[in-house]
Amino acid sequence: EAGVAQSPRYKIIEKRQSVAFWCNPISGHATLYWYQQILGQGPKLLIQFQNNGVVDDSQLPKDRFSAERLKGVDSTLKIQPAKLEDSAVYLCASTPGGVLAGPDTQYFGPGTRLTVL
Amino acid sequence: LAKTTQPISMDSYEGQEVNITCSHNNIATNDYITWYQQFPSQGPRFIIQGYKTKVTNEVASLFIPADRKSSTLSLPRVSLSDTAVYYCLVGEVSGNTGKLIFGQGTTLQVKP
Repeated sequence: EAGVAQSPRYKIIEKRQSVAFWCNPISGHATLYWYQQILGQGPKLLIQFQNNGVVDDSQLPKDRFSAERLKGVDSTLKIQPAKLEDSAVYLCASTPGGVLAGPDTQYFGPGTRLTVL
Repeated sequence: LAKTTQPISMDSYEGQEVNITCSHNNIATNDYITWYQQFPSQGPRFIIQGYKTKVTNEVASLFIPADRKSSTLSLPRVSLSDTAVYYCLVGEVSGNTGKLIFGQGTTLQVKP
């Protein structure tokens, strides 16, 4: 079974530029998450999708971050404009999800390392 | 969601058993305890999950006392490749509402 795919793996941009990250979850997984992991810290949830709907985006800085999962499969996370403090690894994770699902493990992709100069 | 407290770092030697304890005093009735492992330049990887007593799989064991206010991840006979960050998480990880809150984790350094 293929894992969670993310691209690009690395990205270097200058502040005030825009950047987009792509995630393709494990096939059939209904729930998709985006996390931000700053060096030395644990991942922080930015947004959670259930199919193509947003379940939780309370931690997403909506003035500059946006995310979509239009067809309920792959997802894109965008930052516009980027700030220096956005330098981090952006992780995507997915779970089978579902209304009747019990405890689910989350499967993480390798992440995209963003450096903002 | 219950907050967790775990040691920032631990050192061990190859072949030893490593026990990492996590405190979660405010754990709720519906919360499960989950441990993840993260290697450099990789996403976290699920290790083990439990609700109470003891859970064992091919990788680790998880001990949870009756009051569930703490838990201990036990890694038998560690090797150099077990050097990683280990996260203890507590939450209601059901499908629709599953939400993981990661702390700083415990950095385990295994020495030869």
